[in-house]
Amino acid sequence: SQELEQSPQSLIVQEGKNLTINCTSSKTLYGLYWYKQKYGEGLIFLMMLQKGGEEKSHEKITAKLDEKKQQSSLHITASQPSHAGIYLCGGPTGNQGGKLIFGQGTELSVKP
Amino acid sequence: GAGVSQSPRYKVTKRGQDVALRCDPISGHVSLYWYRQALGQGPEFLTYFNYEAQQDKSGLPNDRFSAERPEGSISTLTIQRTEQRDSAMYRCASSLLSGGRNTGELFFGEGSRLTVL
Repeated sequence: SQELEQSPQSLIVQEGKNLTINCTSSKTLYGLYWYKQKYGEGLIFLMMLQKGGEEKSHEKITAKLDEKKQQSSLHITASQPSHAGIYLCGGPTGNQGGKLIFGQGTELSVKP
Repeated sequence: GAGVSQSPRYKVTKRGQDVALRCDPISGHVSLYWYRQALGQGPEFLTYFNYEAQQDKSGLPNDRFSAERPEGSISTLTIQRTEQRDSAMYRCASSLLSGGRNTGELFFGEGSRLTVL
């Protein structure tokens, strides 16, 4: 069965610093979704990547999917306290787009 | 409503009792998903519906778990004869179809935290 492994599991950075979170799949991904979760709230969709080599950006967050579609990275530039939370990557199983396998999450803390 | 609404937000029950968790999706969203999330883990798929039809229930752990969405809107996840291992956050999500296909762009509710004593 497919598994998604995220690294690091947790991260503490100083405000203003850049950081990268990685997501590695045991099998080729049909797509890759990044979500953010804050304590007491639901998951919030960030970005979707579908093609090998694809890169998308939203504000200061950039996500990439490698050519082989087995690894994705999420990069945050000039981190802010508002970026704190748990970042989760999810990959669809087969052709059922909403049936996602999630990684275990990366908890990000940003120190002011 | 504006977002996915789940109730109750918190449920404490005794082992052996039945519980029903409710999900009210975003108006017009065809697809509705149930996930379960243990502490420190990512959500785990349970089941999903397109309209009122249950499309996949392969993630339901055993036959004590069931879900329905009789009118294609509100859904109920029922756990019978609860056990301590059922304690978790139960998350509902809804989405539109994209080109007639399910997409992983899900809108999640805040979840229902179940504690079984």
